[in-house]
Amino acid sequence: DAKTTQPPSMDCAEGRAANLPCNHSTISGNEYVYWYRQIHSQGPQYIIHGLKNNETNEMASLIITEDRKSSTLILPHATLRDTAVYYCIVTGDKLIFGTGTRLQVFP
Amino acid sequence: KAGVTQTPRYLIKTRGQQVTLSCSPISGHRSVSWYQQTPGQGLQFLFEYFSETQRNKGNFPGRFSGRQFSNSRSEMNVSTLELGDSALYLCASSLAPHNPGNTIYFGEGSWLTVV
Repeated sequence: DAKTTQPPSMDCAEGRAANLPCNHSTISGNEYVYWYRQIHSQGPQYIIHGLKNNETNEMASLIITEDRKSSTLILPHATLRDTAVYYCIVTGDKLIFGTGTRLQVFP
Repeated sequence: KAGVTQTPRYLIKTRGQQVTLSCSPISGHRSVSWYQQTPGQGLQFLFEYFSETQRNKGNFPGRFSGRQFSNSRSEMNVSTLELGDSALYLCASSLAPHNPGNTIYFGEGSWLTVV
């Protein structure tokens, strides 16, 4: 079973920041938090991952709470092309996908 | 560099037939894993291969099998196809397994329709 809980859907206005939350209260010490997104009919796209420090790359930022029980993926300036299902995954050695958050970016 | 390549992208098979799907990982990646995605069950892990050995297996019947070649390319096979096997089959590659910090990259998938 997936070890994460995400809201099923969220909306965001184009140009605004999209903040996608994820709860992973049973995460263990050596497990990373990964984020992927999937645009309809395509393979999941890697976004970012982290262990305990906040991470940033060209796509997004990942904020992990100090107790590591939750995290937030931030898309700083959402565009229409960011409309997708976003998966938060806690993994040791393989990815176990939950149902994800369907993010709808509107004009 | 080239991403994960899966072939064929689309195929239609008849119940009872078998199918073989192919995956070429990113150059230098030696771990390949397979996932099945259906509307009802979501994304489910099938199995993982590293150095031509199956390292991990999901909860699927024995009709689902796979293998990995010395060049890290992988194939998965589904025998005696059932209607419920209709799905998007995804291949993912990474440098090595059992490293929680690895980045795992996915291909575009193979769409299988069983009629």
